[in-house]
Amino acid sequence: SQTIHQWPATLVQPVGSPLSLECTVEGTSNPNLYWYRQAAGRGLQLLFYSVGIGQISSEVPQNLSASRPQDRQFILSSKKLLLSDSGFYLCAWSLGRTVGEKLFFGSGTQLSVL
Amino acid sequence: AQKITQTQPGMFVQEKEAVTLDCTYDTSDPSYGLFWYKQPSSGEMIFLIYQGSYDQQNATEGRYSLNFQKARKSANLVISASQLGDSAMYFCAMRPTGNQFYFGTGTSLTVIP
Repeated sequence: SQTIHQWPATLVQPVGSPLSLECTVEGTSNPNLYWYRQAAGRGLQLLFYSVGIGQISSEVPQNLSASRPQDRQFILSSKKLLLSDSGFYLCAWSLGRTVGEKLFFGSGTQLSVL
Repeated sequence: AQKITQTQPGMFVQEKEAVTLDCTYDTSDPSYGLFWYKQPSSGEMIFLIYQGSYDQQNATEGRYSLNFQKARKSANLVISASQLGDSAMYFCAMRPTGNQFYFGTGTSLTVIP
């Protein structure tokens, strides 16, 4: 069966510090991978998605970046965090075959930038 | 343009009663999927139910059913016999042709004992 791992679960970082959030998927190959951010009490904002190794689509221009060094690994990074980067970050995966393929989410990372 | 709209920021329902959470969508794609997710306070996103644009019948999964009205572009979630554990945020999502998913802003459901 497929599983998705996302870590860390919580993170407190000072403004200006770097960020690295990692997500890995097991039990499937060539998944589409996604990073979402959710502000407190708000909806999901798509940050990045990837359909293959090295292929990254950015939805929101900001100081975050994403990389996919391996088929089932997706990394969200920042060189210098801003206060506005605080939020709940969710990694997700889906297969790209049909519109009926649903999203599977990781457990999320609560990031607080102080 | 692809868009999902949830107009109910918060809803209350009495335990054991049924509740309908509204969702409307906009897409020009003839083929699309509609999904509902539940997000409890823990933050995890739990898949509830799926409806395909070509499906003739409304989807059902246990106490969840999807009232799909294609002409009105609505995909409302109906939860029957509400339980205290149903208190959570609920998100409607759409996947048109391609790899992107579009989410609504969510509805916060509170079940009152």
